[in-house]
Amino acid sequence: AQSVTQPDIHITVSEGASLELRCNYSYGATPYLFWYVQSPGQGLQLLLKYFSGDTLVQGIKGFEAEFKRSQSSFNLRKPSVHWSDAAEYFCAVGINAGNNRKLIWGLGTSLAVNP
Amino acid sequence: DAGVTQSPTHLIKTRGQQVTLRCSPKSGHDTVSWYQQALGQGPQFIFQYYEEEERQRGNFPDRFSGHQFPNYSSELNVNALLLGDSALYLCASSLPFSSYNEQFFGPGTRLTVL
Repeated sequence: AQSVTQPDIHITVSEGASLELRCNYSYGATPYLFWYVQSPGQGLQLLLKYFSGDTLVQGIKGFEAEFKRSQSSFNLRKPSVHWSDAAEYFCAVGINAGNNRKLIWGLGTSLAVNP
Repeated sequence: DAGVTQSPTHLIKTRGQQVTLRCSPKSGHDTVSWYQQALGQGPQFIFQYYEEEERQRGNFPDRFSGHQFPNYSSELNVNALLLGDSALYLCASSLPFSSYNEQFFGPGTRLTVL
């Protein structure tokens, strides 16, 4: 069965520190992978996506993610966190199998940033 | 270019009532998906509409129904509301059965059932 796991429910980092949010997926075919961010009470904004090609993808707001097929992972990174990055982060995998086309979501990682 | 829009922003209903939520997709998109996001949870897929038909459905009861209009806008209807239906309802639009499945989300409708 397809699934997405975000092992860290909550992470706290200091402003200026580096960040890595983990994401592991289970899917038998080539995955389409996404990271979304959600600020409190807001909708979801796409940070970055992986479809094919270079396994290191760049996104908005200085985020990047690396696809590692051998580890079934798509971890999100940022070298220096800003206070405005505090939000909920969701990893998702796009399912494309015949007429079954939808996003499967992780439960999210809540990021807090200390000044 | 307007993104995905949803209305209303907030809604308060009582148990047993019915509710209709509305969504207009991003320009150029004709596939609309609906998600339910309970507090502290990730989004759960409700259903997807394309060409005015329900193409896929998640694990939600028949109380949840929808519609898509010729202009691609969509409605989500929930009958016989339960307390557990309180959630943020998100609408997402995409290109028709895009093989990349990239979806653009609206700001959501916050439904509170008392």
